[in-house]
Amino acid sequence: DGGITQSPKYLFRKEGQNVTLSCEQNLNHDAMYWYRQDPGQGLRLIYYSQIVNDFQKGDIAEGYSVSREKKESFPLTVTSAQKNPTAFYLCATDPGTQVGGQYFGPGTRLTVT
Amino acid sequence: SQKIEQNSEALNIQEGKTATLTCNYTNYSPAYLQWYRQDPGRGPVFLLLIRENEKEKRKERLKVTFDTTLKQSLFHITASQPADSATYLCALDSDSGYALNFGKGTSLLVTP
Repeated sequence: DGGITQSPKYLFRKEGQNVTLSCEQNLNHDAMYWYRQDPGQGLRLIYYSQIVNDFQKGDIAEGYSVSREKKESFPLTVTSAQKNPTAFYLCATDPGTQVGGQYFGPGTRLTVT
Repeated sequence: SQKIEQNSEALNIQEGKTATLTCNYTNYSPAYLQWYRQDPGRGPVFLLLIRENEKEKRKERLKVTFDTTLKQSLFHITASQPADSATYLCALDSDSGYALNFGKGTSLLVTP
């Protein structure tokens, strides 16, 4: 998990409520990413940020929002507009060297009922 | 559209044998390809990166090949152990040059 903290590990919410997932890193990496993983599926990119105060939509950004006010933090808000929010959410960072891969946090499993 | 395909069926092999996993892609010209290991309920862990101009890369018992003509990467684990049991994901750089596109992964089970 190497310097990336995601909390909480399990999160339960009622339908219609917004919920914010935390991602903090102490690796001093500029790039941060949010992915969603559903059972038997690969990782799908929600949002990514290459630098503080800047972020881009990924493939499935609808119903999600992010902020990047600090280098260390990249919180993800799952809004009530997200139709199927129950999933495993993974935060990752990248040193930007293109000689290694991304570093992933332990993930947050969100269940919305 | 861009597509990454990994064997959806689980691969079961006996301890000590070589496991070979496949990653095929279409409508891509990736600059590099990565392999990750993911254990249940945990985040993926980076294993190896191979560039488009590299045919093969090794790391301990792991070997990755990259054939840009066939649009395929093979991931080998030699002398496999039960501890190697996990899901293995391949990932390619996206058009943006920043984010990765991941395959769905192949589950490997190594039995004693």
